[in-house]
Amino acid sequence: KAGVTQTPRYLIKTRGQQVTLSCSPISGHRSVSWYQQTPGQGLQFLFEYFSETQRNKGNFPGRFSGRQFSNSRSEMNVSTLELGDSALYLCASRSDGRAGYGYTFGSGTRLTVV
Amino acid sequence: DAKTTQPTSMDCAEGRAANLPCNHSTISGNEYVYWYRQIHSQGPQYIIHGLKNNETNEMASLIITEDRKSSTLILPHATLRDTAVYYCIVRVDFLDDKIIFGKGTRLHILP
Repeated sequence: KAGVTQTPRYLIKTRGQQVTLSCSPISGHRSVSWYQQTPGQGLQFLFEYFSETQRNKGNFPGRFSGRQFSNSRSEMNVSTLELGDSALYLCASRSDGRAGYGYTFGSGTRLTVV
Repeated sequence: DAKTTQPTSMDCAEGRAANLPCNHSTISGNEYVYWYRQIHSQGPQYIIHGLKNNETNEMASLIITEDRKSSTLILPHATLRDTAVYYCIVRVDFLDDKIIFGKGTRLHILP
């Protein structure tokens, strides 16, 4: 079956702009999480959605937001971009409610802010 | 903060077993040990997980000490494609919906 799909794969934006990233989870997976990866901070949790509701949130400013649609697809938005937002943004999905199941990650969107 | 400690990097000869250690001395009784790996420019890939018993799948084996304070991931016959950063993670599954990644171990497979 198809894996987690993230679009676009690469993105270049200018400081002050906003950006929207998209994630399509594995069919049947209802939980979608987002992570930011930078060389300095490593992999950091942004937020997690389940059935269109944000269930968990990491320690990021309000410029980072997300949402999930009824088909479980998710988007994250970053407003007023800063140079430090340059990172690999990863989406992960899993079939919720079943102990012992891990996450499946997408290949990520590499965002460069100039 | 991550609840695990791993060596920063390790080398292993191709064809040999790669043994990656992880310390998790503060692990709670209901926390699982998970291993993921990340090959360059890709998303992390789930490898294996366990609670108390040793586990084996088609990718690797996981050995957990009896006191659960440490574990070892074993790649039985390492290939060049196993070159990656390996993350050891402890988390309460089902209830805890985020993964706290540490720095991981960068494994170099030498030809």
